[in-house]
Amino acid sequence: ELKVEQNPLFLSMQEGKNYTIYCNYSTTSDRLYWYRQDPGKSLESLFVLLSNGAVKQEGRLMASLDTKARLSTLHITAAVHDLSATYFCAVDTFTNAGKSTFGDGTTLTVKP
Amino acid sequence: NAGVTQTPKFRVLKTGQSMTLLCAQDMNHEYMYWYRQDPGMGLRLIHYSVGEGTTAKGEVPDGYNVSRLKKQNFLLGLESAAPSQTSVYFCASIGGWSFEQYFGPGTRLTVT
Repeated sequence: ELKVEQNPLFLSMQEGKNYTIYCNYSTTSDRLYWYRQDPGKSLESLFVLLSNGAVKQEGRLMASLDTKARLSTLHITAAVHDLSATYFCAVDTFTNAGKSTFGDGTTLTVKP
Repeated sequence: NAGVTQTPKFRVLKTGQSMTLLCAQDMNHEYMYWYRQDPGMGLRLIHYSVGEGTTAKGEVPDGYNVSRLKKQNFLLGLESAAPSQTSVYFCASIGGWSFEQYFGPGTRLTVT
């Protein structure tokens, strides 16, 4: 059974600081996704990572994938308040009809 | 394009009542999904469909039924609502080579 674990589950950080969210998954997967969810809102796609060593960046967020370690990281650089949200990673396989397994999410609070 | 829409946005049911949630997408996507999200948790897959006329069970299908009579619509039914079905329900569809999921705005359901 595929399991996805994120840590930390809660993260409070100061503006301007850097931090990393980790996403581990238990079995070989082909695609890894990062989503953002604001309180009371739907999920917004941030990144799709498909291959070992893949790195994608958007603004202050950078995601990377190590398929051998079954690990993805979401790195936050110089955090700002607008990044406060819950971040989910999810994985699926090419043969799994797009059925993603989600982690429980990391709730990030950026304080001034 | 409206993307993925869900109807209704909010609903309160009494135990034992029935209802149908409607998901519609205008992106001509083949694959559609129903998830539920409970507080502090990630999304769990209820049912999914890989094309018009097809449906399949996900991780937590008990108490729910689905239908995909038209490609653009995916209906989720609760025949006899229970308090354990109080949750936020998200519909999603998949498009493109990356299998990136596009989520609807969610339906907040309370069963008393």
